[in-house]
Amino acid sequence: GIQVEQSPPDLILQEGANSTLRCNFSDSVNNLQWFHQNPWGQLINLFYIPSGTKQNGRLSATTVATERYSLLYISSSQTTDSGVYFCAVELKSYNTDKLIFGTGTRLQVFP
Amino acid sequence: EAGVVQSPRYKIIEKKQPVAFWCNPISGHNTLYWYLQNLGQGPELLIRYENEEAVDDSQLPKDRFSAERLKGVDSTLKIQPAELGDSAVYLCASTIPIGTELDYGYTFGSGTRLTVV
Repeated sequence: GIQVEQSPPDLILQEGANSTLRCNFSDSVNNLQWFHQNPWGQLINLFYIPSGTKQNGRLSATTVATERYSLLYISSSQTTDSGVYFCAVELKSYNTDKLIFGTGTRLQVFP
Repeated sequence: EAGVVQSPRYKIIEKKQPVAFWCNPISGHNTLYWYLQNLGQGPELLIRYENEEAVDDSQLPKDRFSAERLKGVDSTLKIQPAELGDSAVYLCASTIPIGTELDYGYTFGSGTRLTVV
């Protein structure tokens, strides 16, 4: 089956720093999403980005589907950015419709 | 607009006892999913509903797990009997109807954290 790998697995930042999270996937996919899972376990939808670039405040994401990777940029990080960031690829066919999640990047932002 | 609502938020039960989780998806979302998230891992699909029909339950351990989605709205996931290895977070998600442009993809609920002792 399709493999989704994220790097780095862990990231420790000081408040105000910038970071780039990477997601590689092993096969063609229908779509890709980035999620932030906060310390309370809530999965928050950040971007739905099958290709191209999107920005939302301090966050932006770029997916290059032809090269099978996506990047999540966090600028001017804040302590509230802490948590686990997952990318998930969507597999959709006549009998399948599901998300395959990556391994996650655990981010800790210190003041 | 309310998001995907799940209850209870936490549940602690003894092994061999039954347990049930409830999910109310976003209004108008025909597709509903139950995902299982073990500690330190990403969520994995258990079952997918299109309206009231379970169209993909291949990952659901049917010897002890069951699910239903009456009237194509709310859904219940049940485990009977629960085992120690079932301790995990159970997440519900929903998406907008097939054929509609997906602007925002999947929306997840807060999940139910189950502890079996």
